[in-house]
Amino acid sequence: EVQLVESGGGLVQPGGSLRLSCTASGFTFSNYDMNWVRQAPGKGLEWVSYISSSGNTIYYADSLKGRFTISRDNAKNSVYLQMGSLRAEDTAVYYCGREWHYWGQGTLVTVSS
Amino acid sequence: QAVMTQPASLSASPGASVSLTCTLRSGINVGTYRIYWYQQKPGSPPQYLLRYKSDSDKQQGSGVPSRFSGSKDASANAGILLISGLQSEDEADYYCMIWYASASVFGGGTKLTVL
Repeated sequence: EVQLVESGGGLVQPGGSLRLSCTASGFTFSNYDMNWVRQAPGKGLEWVSYISSSGNTIYYADSLKGRFTISRDNAKNSVYLQMGSLRAEDTAVYYCGREWHYWGQGTLVTVSS
Repeated sequence: QAVMTQPASLSASPGASVSLTCTLRSGINVGTYRIYWYQQKPGSPPQYLLRYKSDSDKQQGSGVPSRFSGSKDASANAGILLISGLQSEDEADYYCMIWYASASVFGGGTKLTVL
């Protein structure tokens, strides 16, 4: 069974940083591209970032303007999202996804003073 | 102008068939893209339903009933999610998505109410 478990969310002050993790199980992690998607309270889905199975290809949403960094460790079956210069509008549930087919339960990030 | 547009809400009766549309912006040809469809219920992550590019390039999500199907309306430049035999459990938000210009783009979502 495919499982994706996000962690690392929480309350952070504006301008702060946070690192999200997503640990995968139930499949050969190194064979799959991964994504991060977020959803602000009461809003729709917004794609954040993509990383290829090898980690060699990475894309980000233009709106992030270089504040976020995606990475992965295939030996640890994990993908990460390093978030910096956080703003109130980054407040959202962050989901990691195996390609476009499976999503974790999400982790809530709240940016507030 | 948004890359894709979905109606904000839709309602239908149990047993009916309903078409949810995802209209691509002028200049973005729907025929070129795989359109992904997701269902999301309150407090839950999105669930992959299916993707559709053409009758020869389509995929149903694992365990997704066949009453969910995809198609396109080229004249309207839109992707369509057809739900037949509507059930109360189908009440949810539905999102379309495409991979466009090295980015994933989601539509704004349609809230489907089963009356």
